Amino acid sequence: DGGITQSPKYLFRKEGQNVTLSCEQNLNHDAMYWYRQDPGQGLRLIYYSQIVNDFQKGDIAEGYSVSREKKESFPLTVTSAQKNPTAFYLCATNLGGHTPSTDTQYFGPGTRLTVL
Amino acid sequence: AQSVAQPEDQVNVAEGNPLTVKCTYSVSGNPYLFWYVQYPNRGLQFLLKYITGDNLVKGSYGFEAEFNKSQTSFHLKKPSALVSDSALYFCAVRDMNNAGNMLTFGGGTRLMVKP
Repeated sequence: DGGITQSPKYLFRKEGQNVTLSCEQNLNHDAMYWYRQDPGQGLRLIYYSQIVNDFQKGDIAEGYSVSREKKESFPLTVTSAQKNPTAFYLCATNLGGHTPSTDTQYFGPGTRLTVL
Repeated sequence: AQSVAQPEDQVNVAEGNPLTVKCTYSVSGNPYLFWYVQYPNRGLQFLLKYITGDNLVKGSYGFEAEFNKSQTSFHLKKPSALVSDSALYFCAVRDMNNAGNMLTFGGGTRLMVKP
C-alpha cells in the first residue's frame, strides 16, 4: 500500500448525496485506476487515466465521475445516479508505458462506502 | 477480449502442506499474468507476475506460479502453507497488446490454512 493513500477509510452516505473518494500517490506513476469490489466478486474497473487531463471509462462507469488535474491525484465521485453504491473502492497506479518489467498495478488501502 | 477464471471459491489446506490456487485465462494475444493477495479490509498486495521467459515465477512470501501455455493456466503454489497465508487471492490477466495496461481479475479464491 505504501505510496498510495485513499481517504476516508470508511464513508457513509445518505441516498441522493454525491460523495468524493480521494486517491493520492507519490510514486510518480502516470496511470491511475478505480475499481469497485463487491462481496464474492472480483474487481471491476470503473475509470482509468493514463495521463494528466485524460481519462477513460471502464466497464462500470455509469453513476461515477472522475478528474485528473494533477499527476498525483485521481478523485472519484459517486453520484446519486449510482443505484447501488455500497461497496469497497480501490485505487491503483501503474508506472505506465510498455516496459514489461515495470508494468504492475499497485493498490491503495481502499475506501468502504456504505449508503444508509 | 481477455478473461480469467478461478474455479474454486475456497481452498482449505493444513498448515505445513503444499497449496495450489488455480487460475485459467483467455487472451487473444500473449498474456501478462499476475497474482495478488488481499487481507480483510485491505488493498491488494502484489505477489508475482509472468511476462515472458521462465515458466516458473517466484514471488513474495515463498509463493510461486507456473505458466502453462497449452493449458492456459497460471496456478499459484507454495510448498508449505502457513496459517498467516489465509487470505483472498486474485489472479489477473492482460493481453500484452492492451494499450491501457488494463487488468481483468478473477473472482478470487479464499485460502484457509488450518493449524
